Amino acid sequence: GENVEQHPSTLSVQEGDSAVIKCTYSDSASNYFPWYKQELGKRPQLIIDIRSNVGEKKDQRIAVTLNKTAKHFSLHITETQPEDSAVYFCAAKASGGSNYKLTFGKGTLLTVNP
Amino acid sequence: DTGVSQNPRHKITKRGQNVTFRCDPISEHNRLYWYRQTLGQGPEFLTYFQNEAQLEKSRLLSDRFSAERPKGSFSTLEIQRTEQGDSAMYLCASSLTGDGYTFGSGTRLTVV
Repeated sequence: GENVEQHPSTLSVQEGDSAVIKCTYSDSASNYFPWYKQELGKRPQLIIDIRSNVGEKKDQRIAVTLNKTAKHFSLHITETQPEDSAVYFCAAKASGGSNYKLTFGKGTLLTVNP
Repeated sequence: DTGVSQNPRHKITKRGQNVTFRCDPISEHNRLYWYRQTLGQGPEFLTYFQNEAQLEKSRLLSDRFSAERPKGSFSTLEIQRTEQGDSAMYLCASSLTGDGYTFGSGTRLTVV
């Protein structure tokens, strides 16, 4: 089955700096890669996603890049703000018979210091 | 609120007791998923429904776990003879297609 590795497990940045979180996946059939933000005690919320026919996607201060050959994708947050502090999860979904099940990474705790 | 609703939010139970959780998905979503999340981990897939049909169960779901989705609307997840290892956050999600899950706030289960 799919395996998703996420790094780093914790990341601390100063307000205004950029943050980058990286994930690798094992199943070359995966074609959908969402990122979720989970604040303490709250539900995971989808913040951005990318499909395998696209190399990069941007939404305001958030961008995701995908390298299908290397099987890795990254989340980039620019001009970080204290409210960006949360746990971020990457996930991957394979196509075909199991095209509904998301496999998640273990998460990255991002702390943005004012 | 048109999001995914889960009840109860918290459940404390004694080892060996049975518990049942409920999930009400977004009304137009025909796909419903249950995931389990333990501290410091990402959500792990448990089971999936398309309408009322349960199409897959993870090997994580032992025989003590059962899920239903009668009439393709709300879903219930029952755990029989709870064990301390069952303590976790149980998350429900729904989607209209296979992408773009919307998660509920979860039910936090503590088995004492």
